[in-house]
Amino acid sequence: GAGVSQSPSNKVTEKGKDVELRCDPISGHTALYWYRQSLGQGLEFLIYFQGNSAPDKSGLPSDRFSAERTGGSVSTLTIQRTQQEDSAVYLCATSLGGGNQPQHFGDGTRLSIL
Amino acid sequence: DAKTTQPNSMESNEEEPVHLPCNHSTISGTDYIHWYRQLPSQGPEYVIHGLTSNVNNRMASLAIAEDRKSSTLILHRATLRDAAVYYCILRDVGGSNYKLTFGKGTLLTVNP
Repeated sequence: GAGVSQSPSNKVTEKGKDVELRCDPISGHTALYWYRQSLGQGLEFLIYFQGNSAPDKSGLPSDRFSAERTGGSVSTLTIQRTQQEDSAVYLCATSLGGGNQPQHFGDGTRLSIL
Repeated sequence: DAKTTQPNSMESNEEEPVHLPCNHSTISGTDYIHWYRQLPSQGPEYVIHGLTSNVNNRMASLAIAEDRKSSTLILHRATLRDAAVYYCILRDVGGSNYKLTFGKGTLLTVNP
């Protein structure tokens, strides 16, 4: 079946511009996570959505970062006024629920800030 | 989250078994042991998880020490496609956020 789909796969933009990254989850998966992976680093948690509950935003690095999930399905991560340190691979993962359900990852959006 | 310790890198030959170790001496009673792997230019992929008993699935086996302070991921016959970074992660299912906390992992090289 279809996996987690992220778009675009690559994004190059100038410092100061806003960017939107999209995640299409596996159908029926109620939990959705955003992570980012900087060059040579491990994954860093950003935000977590579970059903209709308020999202856990504890990992967002600054107020320039925001995310929404419409209708419990597609999610968009927005970065405003991008900085060079925002350059990273942004990964989306979804799961059937919380607990021990395996997380299924997309292949990420590689964001490069010039 | 409780911490795990893995070797930075390991090497194996194709079609031989591979044993990837992980130490987690501060594991708590509600921590499950999860393994993920990440192939080059791809997102992480779930491999296996367990609590106390050894586990087997189509990808690998997980051997958990009796005191749960260490575990070993076993790939029974390594292939070139198994070359990846392998992450050992503890997940506390007693909390409300089930995020994964990734460390540096073990880079597995498979020689033909």
